[in-house]
Amino acid sequence: QKEVEQDPGPLSVPEGAIVSLNCTYSNSAFQYFMWYRQYSRKGPELLMYTYSSGNKEDGRFTAQVDKSSKYISLFIRDSQPSDSATYLCAMRSHDYKLSFGAGTTVTVRA
Amino acid sequence: DAEITQSPRHKITETGRQVTLACHQTWNHNNMFWYRQDLGHGLRLIHYSYGVHDTNKGEVSDGYSVSRSNTEDLPLTLESAASSQTSVYFCASSGDPTGNVREQFFGPGTRLTVL
Repeated sequence: QKEVEQDPGPLSVPEGAIVSLNCTYSNSAFQYFMWYRQYSRKGPELLMYTYSSGNKEDGRFTAQVDKSSKYISLFIRDSQPSDSATYLCAMRSHDYKLSFGAGTTVTVRA
Repeated sequence: DAEITQSPRHKITETGRQVTLACHQTWNHNNMFWYRQDLGHGLRLIHYSYGVHDTNKGEVSDGYSVSRSNTEDLPLTLESAASSQTSVYFCASSGDPTGNVREQFFGPGTRLTVL
């Protein structure tokens, strides 16, 4: 069983829809939770960063962490074609190594 | 501007050859990482370093080696390339001198094909 599970999709939604992405994990030592966005043939870029449980909002993006369920989510409101990318969840303990999910490929149709 | 670069961006090699992929960062970061990305697997850690002369194995280190002789560079060597090592390789760095390790910054990737 992988340490971090993420449905690879693909996910296709119409412009303006809410995109919901999630990951589950098994390592209870994880304290830092991130979402990276990766455009085709590019390196990943940090999108959201959360420490411990709770919600964090940044514009159209909301990240949620539920440590009791070992479950994290990313919501994209009013999705745009420019949001079409692969979204990777990542997490770590107090070590600096990241454990990544497989990534979910999202397409927002105009 | 500070950045992280990788070279070459594309490489085709033959089975059994030694290949070295370069990674150079100007962030002055202490931590450097090498990942491979394959469909369905996300990013898997190959090797990492927390400082000069420090190197550690990741989850998929067999057939790979690294050395860290300065802060800026962490070259990845495939000792005897195998077709199973065909992949996209990403270098990343984190940890500035102030102790901020919040984010890993990724390079643009090297697409390696082993024939």
